[in-house]
Amino acid sequence: EDQVTQSPEALRLQEGESSSLNCSYTVSGLRGLFWYRQDPGKGPEFLFTLYSAGEEKEKERLKATLTKKESFLHITAPKPEDSATYLCAVQASLATNKLIFGTGTLLAVQP
Amino acid sequence: AAGVIQSPRHLIKEKRETATLKCYPIPRHDTVYWYQQGPGQDPQFLISFYEKMQSDKGSIPDRFSAQQFSDYHSELNMSSLELGDSALYFCASSSSGAEAFFGQGTRLTVV
Repeated sequence: EDQVTQSPEALRLQEGESSSLNCSYTVSGLRGLFWYRQDPGKGPEFLFTLYSAGEEKEKERLKATLTKKESFLHITAPKPEDSATYLCAVQASLATNKLIFGTGTLLAVQP
Repeated sequence: AAGVIQSPRHLIKEKRETATLKCYPIPRHDTVYWYQQGPGQDPQFLISFYEKMQSDKGSIPDRFSAQQFSDYHSELNMSSLELGDSALYFCASSSSGAEAFFGQGTRLTVV
């Protein structure tokens, strides 16, 4: 069964304290891996797409990487406005476009 | 840039009533998705449409139905509402199976 697991469930950082979020996946055939940011009561906001192992994408303080089993979202020198839930999702095969989401990591960055 | 538009933003219904949620995808996007997100949960895939034809089906109850119209907008119809249907309902759209962009959601409360 296709599965996406994120860790940790929650993370509290001090402003400027860098860290990484993990997304492990088990799928029949990865078509794409996506990172989203979600604020409370809002829709997920697209951040990155990764398609193949070794690929990296960067945007401001965020950097996403991909291996054959997992993806990391690295947050460098975070600010309080980076506080949100970060969701990882996969398209599990070429036969479907649907996204399978992990349960997310709730990030709190304290000033 | 145009985003996915959902209406209404909030909806309160009584048990056993019917609700209709509407979604207007990003122009020229060919795929529409519907997701349900309960409190503290990750988004669960309900159903998707590609070029107005149903393309995939997830854990959508038989009481729910959806369709995509000739102008590409989509509607999720929910009948015989139950308390457990209370959730955020998101619509998303994508182009050729690439990254999906989400709307701000409809918060449905069943009382």
